Amino acid sequence: DAKTTQPNSMESNEEEPVHLPCNHSTISGTDYIHWYRQLPSQGPEYVIHGLTSNVNNRMASLAIAEDRKSSTLILHRATLRDAAVYYCILRDLPTSGTYKYIFGTGTRLKVLA
Amino acid sequence: DTEVTQTPKHLVMGMTNKKSLKCEQHMGHRAMYWYKQKAKKPPELMFVYSYEKLSINESVPSRFSPECPNSSLLNLHLHALQPEDSALYLCASSHLTSGRGNEQFFGPGTRLTVL
Repeated sequence: DAKTTQPNSMESNEEEPVHLPCNHSTISGTDYIHWYRQLPSQGPEYVIHGLTSNVNNRMASLAIAEDRKSSTLILHRATLRDAAVYYCILRDLPTSGTYKYIFGTGTRLKVLA
Repeated sequence: DTEVTQTPKHLVMGMTNKKSLKCEQHMGHRAMYWYKQKAKKPPELMFVYSYEKLSINESVPSRFSPECPNSSLLNLHLHALQPEDSALYLCASSHLTSGRGNEQFFGPGTRLTVL
């Protein structure tokens, strides 16, 4: 299984952009890169995903390196409600033929008012 | 309806008890997942069901027994658990269409305490 590594924690000031990095050097050609976040006392929540190209949605942007060995989740203007643990996940397709979602260690984002 | 529901929210059980966790979704997803999450750790995959059949078991001890009675329901039967099994148990579901990103939808989890 391909693995991801993330910094344990990051801090950001409110209203400023946040760049959350993820390394996945053993990614395979068919692995999608997903990002989820988990607010306190809640289940993880989908943020964004991509395969090769950069992606934008209403929550965030995902920048994927050309070699796909790393990616960056970009929150354009952090708010206090964005304080959460952010997980970088690879969607793997093992021999069983059923997708597996392999969570990284996660980055705890603290947003300062 | 884009919600995954889990019951109960909290469960306290003794090591000799038998209990079940329940998960339900009505999004037409044909993949359903059980994860275990210890405090300050990422979720760990336990089981994956695909079209109501068990397709992945991540070497989970037999005291955890999953069941998928239909495409909307997923159960996790618990028997003879140990205190170290205390954790948040998360259920998730997703589509199975190949070639797509297929986001997972997670439930709020069941907080399990084994005494």
